[in-house]
Amino acid sequence: NAGVTQTPKFQVLKTGQSMTLQCAQDMNHNSMYWYRQDPGMGLRLIYYSASEGTTDKGEVPNGYNVSRLNKREFSLRLESAAPSQTSVYFCASRIGSDQPQHFGDGTRLSIL
Amino acid sequence: QQPVQSPQAVILREGEDAVINCSSSKALYSVHWYRQKHGEAPVFLMILLKGGEQKGHEKISASFNEKKQQSSLYLTASQLSYSGTYFCGTPTRTSSNTGKLIFGQGTTLQVKP
Repeated sequence: NAGVTQTPKFQVLKTGQSMTLQCAQDMNHNSMYWYRQDPGMGLRLIYYSASEGTTDKGEVPNGYNVSRLNKREFSLRLESAAPSQTSVYFCASRIGSDQPQHFGDGTRLSIL
Repeated sequence: QQPVQSPQAVILREGEDAVINCSSSKALYSVHWYRQKHGEAPVFLMILLKGGEQKGHEKISASFNEKKQQSSLYLTASQLSYSGTYFCGTPTRTSSNTGKLIFGQGTTLQVKP
């Protein structure tokens, strides 16, 4: 049982390049989330998807787009990467309200 | 709106106790607690719902006071394995449709031998 799988685990980009972070869960969860984590800032919500076909902005959506491709997959795209987007990105999912969130292992992204 | 955690950091000796607080300026429906070890993903500890319910996980327990809009995490007789960063998360809505989960900035706990 893989849980939440994120790819890639590490990536280095140049400013202005584009990239899509992939996330897939095999737990039949309805809700999926993208967070970024910077030192001293905790986990900040970028985008959220309550169910297949729906997405909603979080605290820090600027510079990102998302796609809920199907119930399993939720991708995060950086159209024109900036150094301020250097961070660790976590994908998470849960079955529904007041249920635990399950996190992937994260993608460590550096933008030069 | 991000919940506020205190303290920001705690250093303990094995066997000592600690309390981590999480407060919100908005009415809370529930509070979620997670622990993250260095270089790893956050891991779920427990969820507290309205009603002041106290829950436990190993020797870690928590309370939720909806009137004061705050939750506290109690770590009793701390072990080396308790080291990590603890996050509280609060939903952005007060109804049962909790929507987005917003996390506090985290409390770093270091347990020394």
